[in-house]
Amino acid sequence: DAGVIQSPRHEVTEMGQEVTLRCKPISGHDYLFWYRQTMMRGLELLIYFNNNVPIDDSGMPEDRFSAKMPNASFSTLKIQPSEPRDSAVYFCASRPVRDTQYFGPGTRLTVL
Amino acid sequence: GESVGLHLPTLSVQEGDNSIINCAYSNSASDYFIWYKQESGKGPQFIIDIRSNMDKRQGQRVTVLLNKTVKHLSLQIAATQPGDSAVYFCAETRRNAGNMLTFGGGTRLMVKP
Repeated sequence: DAGVIQSPRHEVTEMGQEVTLRCKPISGHDYLFWYRQTMMRGLELLIYFNNNVPIDDSGMPEDRFSAKMPNASFSTLKIQPSEPRDSAVYFCASRPVRDTQYFGPGTRLTVL
Repeated sequence: GESVGLHLPTLSVQEGDNSIINCAYSNSASDYFIWYKQESGKGPQFIIDIRSNMDKRQGQRVTVLLNKTVKHLSLQIAATQPGDSAVYFCAETRRNAGNMLTFGGGTRLMVKP
């Protein structure tokens, strides 16, 4: 298995632009998680899905952030409009029924 | 508040020595713990896990110890190698926390050749 796949690996955009991050979880995993990592705040859970249904989005910073999972093999995290404080590394993780989560390589987002 | 934290932000060890990375948690309801390794530019990588009904679990060159009395978790790496240099995170989840992991702040392990 190729593991969790994220794209793009790096994204540089200007303030106010829309940003879409993509994730392909490991096949057969029922859960998908989106995290944000910064030096100041560490790893923060933004939202997670179970069988494509959003379960807990309490970590989503504000309405500018939205996430979807249209099918079991694809999820997106969208920021519209983006702001410089959104600059971070965004990780997607997936897991089967058991508890261990497997992380993707991350997308490094820079908002100028 | 409820949290998972690490005592030492940076640990420097000599190649070949054993490393011990510590983690404290505050919620007695925590029942599953995981150690992750994160190398520069990569996502966290699962190393080893342990459930609260165990005190010790061993993997390849790694051992996790759980002391529920003092709510302490440690990761021991035997014969530390340069490739072990990374940031190590402990994470915990609780029976009443759904499927959400709470991560500690991380400890940077630096291996000197």
